[in-house]
Amino acid sequence: GAVVSQHPSRVICKSGTSVKIECRSLDFQATTMFWYRQFPKKSLMLMATSNEGSKATYEQGVEKDKFLINHASLTLSTLTVTSAHPEDSSFYICSASRQGLSETQYFGPGTRLLVL
Amino acid sequence: QKEVEQNSGPLSVPEGAIASLNCTYSDRGSQSFFWYRQYSGKSPELIMSIYSNGDKEDGRFTAQLNKASQYVSLLIRDSQPSDSATYLCAVYSGGGADGLTFGKGTHLIIQP
Repeated sequence: GAVVSQHPSRVICKSGTSVKIECRSLDFQATTMFWYRQFPKKSLMLMATSNEGSKATYEQGVEKDKFLINHASLTLSTLTVTSAHPEDSSFYICSASRQGLSETQYFGPGTRLLVL
Repeated sequence: QKEVEQNSGPLSVPEGAIASLNCTYSDRGSQSFFWYRQYSGKSPELIMSIYSNGDKEDGRFTAQLNKASQYVSLLIRDSQPSDSATYLCAVYSGGGADGLTFGKGTHLIIQP
């Protein structure tokens, strides 16, 4: 158990367009989902934490109007990168915590975004 | 501020030997401790969790926790080239949905 999927796995888009990334917990209910970004050879950077049915909590320096997060159900969270620019090109990874076991995070396979 | 410290490496270990990865944390109230493995270009994968002082073994992996010293380690026995990866230490300090604090990871290389 504890499988998390992400879609798409890879996306290439033009500068100025918006990209939506989906994160799903396939076999458990996730009260909390987390969104990370990782640049090549760098550490994981937490972008935001989202709880089902409430607004996401963004880390310092992360623009909430640029990175829109929706946690619509206990199995789905989406991250929309609005008006993407080349500097937004990165590896975006979500993780999810089981209901009642909030500390253990299970990671999705990640989405590689390239903005041209 | 909660901090988790790891030596970035690279840590080079010959095949078949024991690899020892170390991690220290700043928050004495931390409750849960995790080791994740991340292969290059992939997302992290949970390999061990430990909650109480002492050792916890799972196959070739042993996690060790010493809360008094605020220290957690991961031992990998009979190291294989496929164990070459970055190992992330993560700590949970409570507070509901605050999530985990991650170390920057140790890059492990198993030399054939």
